[in-house]
Amino acid sequence: DQQVKQNSPSLSVQEGRISILNCDYTNSMFDYFLWYKKYPAEGPTFLISISSIKDKNEDGRFTVFLNKSAKHLSLHIVPSQPGDSAVYFCAARLSGGGADGLTFGKGTHLIIQP
Amino acid sequence: DSGVTQTPKHLITATGQRVTLRCSPRSGDLSVYWYQQSLDQGLQFLIQYYNGEERAKGNILERFSAQQFPDLHSELNLSSLELGDSALYFCASSVTGLRDEKLFFGSGTQLSVL
Repeated sequence: DQQVKQNSPSLSVQEGRISILNCDYTNSMFDYFLWYKKYPAEGPTFLISISSIKDKNEDGRFTVFLNKSAKHLSLHIVPSQPGDSAVYFCAARLSGGGADGLTFGKGTHLIIQP
Repeated sequence: DSGVTQTPKHLITATGQRVTLRCSPRSGDLSVYWYQQSLDQGLQFLIQYYNGEERAKGNILERFSAQQFPDLHSELNLSSLELGDSALYFCASSVTGLRDEKLFFGSGTQLSVL
């Protein structure tokens, strides 16, 4: 059973507009969430994270919002740039320990159109 | 470049065979993680090592094993290969493997079992 779900396999956005990538989770024991970005033929790279004690974290053009009651998080990219075209993975970590691996979603392929 | 090196980049083999995937973590990182990405799947956590010791296990099959050597490089051994083992295998590293650390991923080994 997929505990981290990214229901949109792909998303197309015009350059300069806002990109919103969504992620839902089912396990209430997750308390730390991350977004990774992946270009073809490369490994995922860390983008931004948020702890469950916050509802928003911002880093430049990237903002992650967390709605714990809805078990939903979203990544906003404003403004979207051609270099943002990549696959974005949402990931979550269980509370209570540091040794557990991350649980990843299947990814959303973001395409920024000129 | 994440600083994590994985070899080989591509591997083609037959069912029933055994292969070894190699990972060199970033300089200074003590913890190594292995992930599997099958077609249309998110990254699945397999196993984590810290300073030569196994720290956490995920969805790793009994046919698979891993180890981390004194020089901190890690190997993932896959045996009695099946068609379904075809996937992209990523290695990641972090300094201590504690909960809020970023993971740095290698570019992966693409395994094709024919």
